[in-house]
Amino acid sequence: DTEVTQTPKHLVMGMTNKKSLKCEQHMGHRAMYWYKQKAKKPPELMFVYSYEKLSINESVPSRFSPECPNSSLLNLHLHALQPEDSALYLCASSQTEGTGRAGELFFGEGSRLTVL
Amino acid sequence: AQKVTQAQTEISVVEKEDVTLDCVYETRDTTYYLFWYKQPPSGELVFLIRRNSFDEQNEISGRYSWNFQKSTSSFNFTITASQVVDSAVYFCALSDYQAGTALIFGKGTTLSVSS
Repeated sequence: DTEVTQTPKHLVMGMTNKKSLKCEQHMGHRAMYWYKQKAKKPPELMFVYSYEKLSINESVPSRFSPECPNSSLLNLHLHALQPEDSALYLCASSQTEGTGRAGELFFGEGSRLTVL
Repeated sequence: AQKVTQAQTEISVVEKEDVTLDCVYETRDTTYYLFWYKQPPSGELVFLIRRNSFDEQNEISGRYSWNFQKSTSSFNFTITASQVVDSAVYFCALSDYQAGTALIFGKGTTLSVSS
């Protein structure tokens, strides 16, 4: 069982909807990540939070809005998405951002998003 | 620039066959890390191994083994006596510690093991 929990597992939304993806870890990790993965492609980094502060934003459109309410939770707020945003969104955590680069990342099972 | 190349897009084998997944990387830095991840149909990425650039020892873990060769910039992954449960997409990844970038993934190799 993965130690990073993502909800919902599946989400279908219209282009005018507002929805959120949630991620939770209880390993005491202080770095959390959002990755986007299109079908048959590798994951692409979107955001990195380190000690609950946004550390990296890989030029992600503003219709994706991350939030880290505390060290265990990471949200991704979605608004006015486009059909091309349909993908698997993976959350990950690591002990620190440094060990995330040099160590292992723990990934959740992902939230599969479909935008109609 | 960093780059990871997994030339094999798809591999199909029959159970109990050995299979090697190739990974070639590019980096200008002397300090870096290499990783292999497994992504089963359920979706999550499962960490398999990390190797730093100063450690060229090969590693074996059960049916899995890894061959790191700096001379050819390769970090190949071999599954011995493959099983149906090994069917997944396997990603090789690179992390350049000094540049502070996130993982650079290869495009992945889809392994299908049939019984």
